[in-house]
Amino acid sequence: DQQVKQNSPSLSVQEGRISILNCDYTNSMFDYFLWYKKYPAEGPTFLISISSIKDKNEDGRFTVFLNKSAKHLSLHIVPSQPGDSAVYFCAASANAGGTSYGKLTFGQGTILTVHP
Amino acid sequence: ETGVTQTPRHLVMGMTNKKSLKCEQHLGHNAMYWYKQSAKKPLELMFVYSLEERVENNSVPSRFSPECPNSSHLFLHLHTLQPEDSALYLCASSLLMGLAGYNEQFFGPGTRLTVL
Repeated sequence: DQQVKQNSPSLSVQEGRISILNCDYTNSMFDYFLWYKKYPAEGPTFLISISSIKDKNEDGRFTVFLNKSAKHLSLHIVPSQPGDSAVYFCAASANAGGTSYGKLTFGQGTILTVHP
Repeated sequence: ETGVTQTPRHLVMGMTNKKSLKCEQHLGHNAMYWYKQSAKKPLELMFVYSLEERVENNSVPSRFSPECPNSSHLFLHLHTLQPEDSALYLCASSLLMGLAGYNEQFFGPGTRLTVL
């Protein structure tokens, strides 16, 4: 049973336009969500996160939106740049589980391609 | 060296071989993780070490044996692997969560393992 799902395996966007990457989760105990970006031959790099007490977090061109009632989060990249082309992973953590090390559950990733 | 490093980057081994993967973090973190990423699957957490003590073993077969001799180093010893164990093995580290909440994980570049 996959608790974090990214239903779009790939997304193609023109440079300068908005990229919207989506993520759905099923575990209502998740209370912290993260987005990671991964280039080929590199490990995932932390991008942005959001706590379940918020519905939006913004960092430069990147904004994450959380809809708890729908168990859905999205990552918006505006404007998109060719250097944003990578695999994007959504991840979730259930802090209420009492673990101090932040156990993450990942989605399967979405390949974003930004065309010049 | 900075961040999280992993060696080797690529490894090909037969089913009867014994090999080890090495991870080193230079971030002063006190939790370390092994993940497995198979093709078209989400990252799967394998092991977690918190303050050099193994605190999580996610139903991983005994042919994978982790070792954490100190807070900066993590090993994954491999023995009698199967072809289906071929995957990207990622190491990550983080600070243990404090009152401020979640601390994100920092990943190494991974070891691409092929079992013949």
